[in-house]
Amino acid sequence: QKEVEQNSGPLSVPEGAIASLNCTYSDRVSQSFFWYRQYSGKSPELIMSIYSNGDKEDGRFTAQLNKASQYVSLLIRDSQPSDSATYLCAVNVGIRSAGGTSYGKLTFGQGTILTVHP
Amino acid sequence: KAGVTQTPRYLIKTRGQQVTLSCSPISGHRSVSWYQQTPGQGLQFLFEYFSETQRNKGNFPGRFSGRQFSNSRSEMNVSTLELGDSALYLCASRHGLAGKETQYFGPGTRLLVL
Repeated sequence: QKEVEQNSGPLSVPEGAIASLNCTYSDRVSQSFFWYRQYSGKSPELIMSIYSNGDKEDGRFTAQLNKASQYVSLLIRDSQPSDSATYLCAVNVGIRSAGGTSYGKLTFGQGTILTVHP
Repeated sequence: KAGVTQTPRYLIKTRGQQVTLSCSPISGHRSVSWYQQTPGQGLQFLFEYFSETQRNKGNFPGRFSGRQFSNSRSEMNVSTLELGDSALYLCASRHGLAGKETQYFGPGTRLLVL
């Protein structure tokens, strides 16, 4: 089982619709969760971070986290053609070592390609 | 604040050569992580540095190494390049409370090995 899995794409939605992106993770002690957007040929750009169970809203974006189900999702309302990109789910577990716990490693899903058509 | 900067942006090398990539984190950020992105493997963690110390290393061969300087700038080096090393190399600087740190990516260095 992959550590972080995203719903298979590509996902195509009409302009103005709600796009729903899903992600499951395997490590129960995961601490923090992120959604990044990556346009073709560009680097990942942070969209949302979420740390506690429930919903977190930021403009047209809503992240949902359910730690019991090990599930995190991203909803994009009123989708626009400019939202067309690859969306990456990332999870941070924290790695313990002699020097303490470090949170420098993000584990990414394979990404979901979203296309919003006019 | 200026974002994460990476140099060079593009690089072409031949097999067997070595390469050094540079990353300057966001001002005030002391932690840097490096990732490799390929179409087949996606984004994979290489290593992370904090206060000039490597805190963790991903599952990559010893040909991949890095370091961090006192001004938080970081470099990664790949020796004896292989064709499979062709990838986008991303540096991220992070900040925040432990367990809630956020990583911000630079533009990346695209490496092509011929």
